[in-house]
Amino acid sequence: GAGVSQSPSNKVTEKGKDVELRCDPISGHTALYWYRQSLGQGLEFLIYFQGNSAPDKSGLPSDRFSAERTGGSVSTLTIQRTQQEDSAVYLCASSPRQTYTDTQYFGPGTRLTVL
Amino acid sequence: GNSVTQMEGPVTLSEEAFLTINCTYTATGYPSLFWYVQYPGEGLQLLLKATKADDKGSNKGFEATYRKETTSFHLEKGSVQVSDSAVYFCALDLNAGGTSYGKLTFGQGTILTVHP
Repeated sequence: GAGVSQSPSNKVTEKGKDVELRCDPISGHTALYWYRQSLGQGLEFLIYFQGNSAPDKSGLPSDRFSAERTGGSVSTLTIQRTQQEDSAVYLCASSPRQTYTDTQYFGPGTRLTVL
Repeated sequence: GNSVTQMEGPVTLSEEAFLTINCTYTATGYPSLFWYVQYPGEGLQLLLKATKADDKGSNKGFEATYRKETTSFHLEKGSVQVSDSAVYFCALDLNAGGTSYGKLTFGQGTILTVHP
């Protein structure tokens, strides 16, 4: 079946612009996660959703970052007034439900470059 | 807080050599432990996992045993292949009462290159 998909695969933007990154999880998966992979910081958790609510937003780096999920499916990560330090690969993952035995399935990522 | 420390890489081996990538963790509570792999040009995928002490995860010839006494989850493979060249990440997902905290804490990753 279809895996986690993300769009765009690459995004180049100018400093100060807003960007939206999209994640389509595996159908039926109730939990959705955003991570960021950068050279300096490695792989970092950003936020996760259970259904449409976000019980843990602790990884969002600043108030320029926000995310939403609608219909228990698609999620959008928005970065406002982008900065060069936002350049990274943004990864989305989903899992069937929130238990410690569940596997998270990752999408291919969106590579964001802020000039 | 929770953290994962992996041996520094990169690691370069010849085909059929024995592989060990060390991973140790710091966590409050009883985490589940994972190894994820990222092949060139591909996304992260789960390689193996263990959810409690003394469990052994295994997949594709790779193994790792959850050692609570040494807080370790070292990855091993007896005979590596060129196709194993990838970046390997150790991770933990803390659970409490069967409910995960919903986030993975990753190590810094270890680049493995296997030559023919």
